[in-house]
Amino acid sequence: DIQMTQSPSSLSASVGDRVTITCRASQSISTYLNWYQQKSGEAPKLLIYDASSLQTGGPSRFSGSGSGTAFTLTISSLQPGDFATYYCHQSFDFPWTFGPGTKVEIK
Amino acid sequence: EVQLLESGGGLVQPGGSLRLSCAASGFSYSGYTMSWVRQAPGKGLEWVSSISNGGDSTYYGESVEGRFTISRDNSRNTLFLQMNNLRVDDTAKYYCARVLSGYEPFDHWGQGTLVTVSS
Repeated sequence: DIQMTQSPSSLSASVGDRVTITCRASQSISTYLNWYQQKSGEAPKLLIYDASSLQTGGPSRFSGSGSGTAFTLTISSLQPGDFATYYCHQSFDFPWTFGPGTKVEIK
Repeated sequence: EVQLLESGGGLVQPGGSLRLSCAASGFSYSGYTMSWVRQAPGKGLEWVSSISNGGDSTYYGESVEGRFTISRDNSRNTLFLQMNNLRVDDTAKYYCARVLSGYEPFDHWGQGTLVTVSS
């Protein structure tokens, strides 16, 4: 199985800060890497797919990069509504797996 | 507008069974792979199972293989998850999700249905 790790597990940042979350796969997954945002009590929401493609309607302050085993999600200017947990997910091979999540708190 | 509405969750004893349903609307249901993803209370996301658009291919996570069965009825735009021999660690909110073709992200999610396995 492909194991996904994320760092950090949590972070605290101020409105306007640039925030970067890292996701690593235990083997190469090309660009079959997706990012989701989950706010408390809500279903997850797709932000980025194919490592760097912004989902339709997604805010342009979110961007993704990477390929192979190392990926990043960047929020260019953190907004109050970005308080949430972010998960990466590999869809390269079954069983599909998620990272453990990164909780973003607003300072 | 894409809508996914799960139902069928509830309280069940260990070893019991439950059948979840997901009613889909707002898109051409038979053209999409569909999935179930679960989330234990306070925990992260876990992929459970997926089924191809025609229903001929199914895939399962190791923790549910042999106990859960995914199926679909394209005439009724409905996805199912039959869960047998339930365990306490199956307790979770179960989400129905549509899979976008290509790089296969989950592009739409339902609001989930809670399954509690407890004696």
